[in-house]
Amino acid sequence: DVKVTQSSRYLVKRTGEKVFLECVQDMDHENMFWYRQDPGLGLRLIYFSYDVKMKEKGDIPEGYSVSREKKERFSLILESASTNQTSMYLCASRAGGPYEQYFGPGTRLTVT
Amino acid sequence: DQQVKQNSPSLSVQEGRISILNCDYTNSMFDYFLWYKKYPAEGPTFLISISSIKDKNEDGRFTVFLNKSAKHLSLHIVPSQPGDSAVYFCAASGGGSNYKLTFGKGTLLTMNP
Repeated sequence: DVKVTQSSRYLVKRTGEKVFLECVQDMDHENMFWYRQDPGLGLRLIYFSYDVKMKEKGDIPEGYSVSREKKERFSLILESASTNQTSMYLCASRAGGPYEQYFGPGTRLTVT
Repeated sequence: DQQVKQNSPSLSVQEGRISILNCDYTNSMFDYFLWYKKYPAEGPTFLISISSIKDKNEDGRFTVFLNKSAKHLSLHIVPSQPGDSAVYFCAASGGGSNYKLTFGKGTLLTMNP
């Protein structure tokens, strides 16, 4: 079974803080993704990575950056957290090609 | 612009009956479609997929139908069970996009006893 883990299930941060969300997958997948899910908006892609050190912007990259130094780990960074970044953050991974993505359990981030 | 649309935000179905969830797309480059199920406070789980070369794919209680000319797909759940209450997301992928997925906004399916 593919396992995607995220470092925290719930996180509360203050406005202006730098926030790191970590994601690890154990299936040697090439591709990894960060989404955020908001009520009524579905899942929106923030960034994805198709190889180590390779990244590409998704649909809503503003205010975020990412890092992929090792194949199994993909980090999402909020340089200066803002209240409009309060959301559910979901990490996913996939083997190359048109196959399904496997999601982690999500991190519920609240920025106060 | 919304390339994948799920026009019903919610759906209520009696247990034991058929649940039909619908999805429309606008991008003719999409060639692979997936359905995900999501419970609150959990990540989405993959249910079933279909390639554009097919018009039907079946897996147990779940069947996905694809109508390419109408740019429409649907998920049928037969029979519906209590554990099917969840949010269902439709997603699409196109060959030239590094296979990234574009998701619909989701449909909340609620089972009635």
